[in-house]
Amino acid sequence: DQQVKQNSPSLSVQEGRISILNCDYTNSMFDYFLWYKKYPAEGPTFLISISSIKDKNEDGRFTVFLNKSAKHLSLHIVPSQPGDSAVYFCAASALTGNQFYFGTGTSLTVIP
Amino acid sequence: KAGVTQTPRYLIKTRGQQVTLSCSPISGHRSVSWYQQTPGQGLQFLFEYFSETQRNKGNFPGRFSGRQFSNSRSEMNVSTLELGDSALYLCASSLNLQGTDYNEQFFGPGTRLTVL
Repeated sequence: DQQVKQNSPSLSVQEGRISILNCDYTNSMFDYFLWYKKYPAEGPTFLISISSIKDKNEDGRFTVFLNKSAKHLSLHIVPSQPGDSAVYFCAASALTGNQFYFGTGTSLTVIP
Repeated sequence: KAGVTQTPRYLIKTRGQQVTLSCSPISGHRSVSWYQQTPGQGLQFLFEYFSETQRNKGNFPGRFSGRQFSNSRSEMNVSTLELGDSALYLCASSLNLQGTDYNEQFFGPGTRLTVL
């Protein structure tokens, strides 16, 4: 049972435009969410996180939005750069747990 | 500070064999988690260890096992390999996943296992 879902396997965006990656979750106990970026032949690297007490967290070109009522989060990348081309995973966990649940990933291609 | 290291990076085995993968966490990190990544399935959680104790286990058969040593290094073992076990196995470490501290996980480069 996939508790974290990324329904778009791939996304293509022009350089300089905004990239929006979406993620949905089903478990209302989740209260901490993260985005990871993965290049081929490397492990995922942490990008940005947000706790459920916030609805937005920003770090440079990356902003994560959380809509708890809709159980939805999104990652905005502005402006998109060719080096952003990678697979992006969202992950979620609960304070009382000790496990992260990952989505299936979205492959982002930024076209120069 | 050195990152998470995994050995070997690549491995080829045949059906029925067993395999042991190794993970060295970031110094000071006591939590180690293992994941299996296959195309279209994302990262599937295998198990998590903290202070040599398995705290959580995913929905994998008993052929998948692990352990953690006193220096926090961890090993994962898969016995009686099947073709479907071919995947990228990722190890991740963090200070602690449980309690009031939210700590992101730092991943190693993974071990690419191919079962023929």
